Amino acid sequence: QVQLQESGPGLVKPSETLSLTCTVSGGSISNYYWSWIRQPPGKGLEWIGYMYYTGNTNHNSSLRGRVTISLDTSKNQFSLRLSSMTAADTAVYYCARHEGPHAFDIWGQGTVVTVSS
Amino acid sequence: SLVLTQSPSVSVAPEKTARISCGGTNIGSKSVHWYQQKPGQAPVLVINYNSDRPSGIPERFSGSNSGNTATLTISRVEAGDEADYYCQVWDGRGDHPVFGGGTKLTVL
Repeated sequence: QVQLQESGPGLVKPSETLSLTCTVSGGSISNYYWSWIRQPPGKGLEWIGYMYYTGNTNHNSSLRGRVTISLDTSKNQFSLRLSSMTAADTAVYYCARHEGPHAFDIWGQGTVVTVSS
Repeated sequence: SLVLTQSPSVSVAPEKTARISCGGTNIGSKSVHWYQQKPGQAPVLVINYNSDRPSGIPERFSGSNSGNTATLTISRVEAGDEADYYCQVWDGRGDHPVFGGGTKLTVL
C-alpha cells in the first residue's frame, strides 16, 4: 500500500528557511495531488499548499508567498520550502495525498519542526 | 472565506451514540470529509463525501450533511474511539481546503 514519509530538520532558527521532503513509497506520485498540512502544538490542522504531478500548485494565502512546493517524479518525492520561519511556524508537518478537491486519503506520520535559536 | 465551526468537546458513555457537528454556511452544498486523530498520530480519514466509509472503517461510523450542518455519528462508542475529530471541505472553486477546529471526543 502507498505510504508517505516526511524527512527534514527538527530544529530551524528564526528567519531561516525550512526544507522538508515527503517520500512516496508503494505507488506512483503521478496522477495525484500532494499537500503539506501542519498542526501547531495543541491546535488544529492548517493546510499549507499542494502540487499536482503536472506542476500545478496552490498554497494558503495566509502564508503570504513564503511557500514553495516542488515535486520530483524521478525520485517519487515532493518537497516544501517555507521561508522566514518564526516561532509561530513551530508545528508537526504532515504530507498527504488527495485526488483534486477531495479527501486527504493517505497521510504521512508527521515530522516535528521547532523554530528556536 | 468559509469557516467551519465545531464544538470543542463531546463526551459520551461507552455503548452510547456520539454526534459531532460541523457548522458552516450552506455546507450542505459541499462534500464533507471527517478525520480521526488519536494522540501522537496522524489523522485518519473515517468518512468521505459526507457519508462514505473508506475501507477498514467500522460501520459504527456514519455521516450526514444538510443545510448548514454536517454530522459525524459514532454508534456503540468504544474506548478506542476517543480522539480528536476534524471536518474538512474544499472552498472557493475547490482550490483550497478548510478544516474545522476539531472536536475532542471523550469516552466516559
